[in-house]
Amino acid sequence: EDQVTQSPEALRLQEGESSSLNCSYTVSGLRGLFWYRQDPGKGPEFLFTLYSAGEEKEKERLKATLTKKESFLHITAPKPEDSATYLCAVCGNSGNTPLVFGKGTRLSVIA
Amino acid sequence: DSGVTQTPKHLITATGQRVTLRCSPRSGDLSVYWYQQSLDQGLQFLIQYYNGEERAKGNILERFSAQQFPDLHSELNLSSLELGDSALYFCASSKTWGNTEAFFGQGTRLTVV
Repeated sequence: EDQVTQSPEALRLQEGESSSLNCSYTVSGLRGLFWYRQDPGKGPEFLFTLYSAGEEKEKERLKATLTKKESFLHITAPKPEDSATYLCAVCGNSGNTPLVFGKGTRLSVIA
Repeated sequence: DSGVTQTPKHLITATGQRVTLRCSPRSGDLSVYWYQQSLDQGLQFLIQYYNGEERAKGNILERFSAQQFPDLHSELNLSSLELGDSALYFCASSKTWGNTEAFFGQGTRLTVV
């Protein structure tokens, strides 16, 4: 069964204080790993797709990386508007669930 | 705006009742997914349709059912509602299934009283 574990559960940063969020996964044949941002009461917003180990994607202050067992979402010089829950999801070759989500990391950036 | 439209945004209903949630996918997307998100839980996969056919099924209760129509919109039917069914219900769509990114609607907040 595909599984995704995200850490930490919650992270509080000062504005400008860079950090990384972790997503560990077990999957039978990775078809894709996805990062989403979710604001309270809203739908998840797609950020990145990573397909193979060594791949990196960047968008503004966010950079996602992928290894064979985990993915990191690096946040450089965060701003208060980056505060949200960041979700990681995987899609594997086997299993019945097209996208398996982790429980997310709740990020708070304080001015 | 993701392009995925869900209606209604909010729904308050009594225990034992039945409700229907509606989802219009992004233009060109053939696959529709339904997820449930409760306060203490992450996103729980319910069911997926691809071009009108059921593609994958998660931990969807027997009281819940869904379908995808020829115009590709989808409906999620929830019956004999219980207090524990109160949650956010999200629809997502993607071009195919598998390794393509899914785009989510803004959700329907269901409150069962």
